[in-house]
Amino acid sequence: EVQLVQSGAEVKKSGESLKISCKASGYSFTNHWIGWVRQMPGKGLEWMGIIYPGDSDTKYSPSFQGQVTISVDKSISTAYVHWSSLKASDTAMYYCVRGGYSGYDLTNWGQGTPVTVSS
Amino acid sequence: NFMLTQPHSVSESPGKTVTISCTRTGGNIGTHYVQWFQQRPGSSPTTVIYEDDQRPSGVPARFSGSIDSSSNSASLTISGLKTEDEADYYCQSFDSTTVVFGGGTKLTVL
Repeated sequence: EVQLVQSGAEVKKSGESLKISCKASGYSFTNHWIGWVRQMPGKGLEWMGIIYPGDSDTKYSPSFQGQVTISVDKSISTAYVHWSSLKASDTAMYYCVRGGYSGYDLTNWGQGTPVTVSS
Repeated sequence: NFMLTQPHSVSESPGKTVTISCTRTGGNIGTHYVQWFQQRPGSSPTTVIYEDDQRPSGVPARFSGSIDSSSNSASLTISGLKTEDEADYYCQSFDSTTVVFGGGTKLTVL
């Protein structure tokens, strides 16, 4: 069974750094893209970026390019998203999601990591 | 780049059938697969349709997906509506470098 288990809730201050994680199991980690999705309170789903663990090829949404860094550690089947300097507007729920056999067709979701940033 | 446009909300009665549309602006709807996600309040999204018309195991056959090239749109149809189907529904597709979500449709079953 495919599972994506995300790290727990985070409460941070503006200007702090943060790295949240998504541990995958139940499939070949290096053979499927993994994406990150933001959902701000009461709003829709926004694509942040996507990475192919096999070679770390990464695509970013223009809205998130330069704002976050997506990475993987193949040795522990885990994907990450990192902020070097958080803003209050980064307060949101963040989901990781696995791509299917066509690449960017998103099929399996993590449970979400809530991030709260106070100013 | 391209956009996916969904109606903001739809409503229907239990037992009836509802269809939610997802219109692609920029590019051909049939070039890349469309997925549909259900998100109940307070829960993470789950996939109800992938690769245009495929249902993951565990998703009832009441959920179906289709593509219409003439209108450049995808549709999610839910038949035999149940109150538990009340949720937000999002379509998703992609091109060679970009993933796009529709804005979401709130389904009310009343």
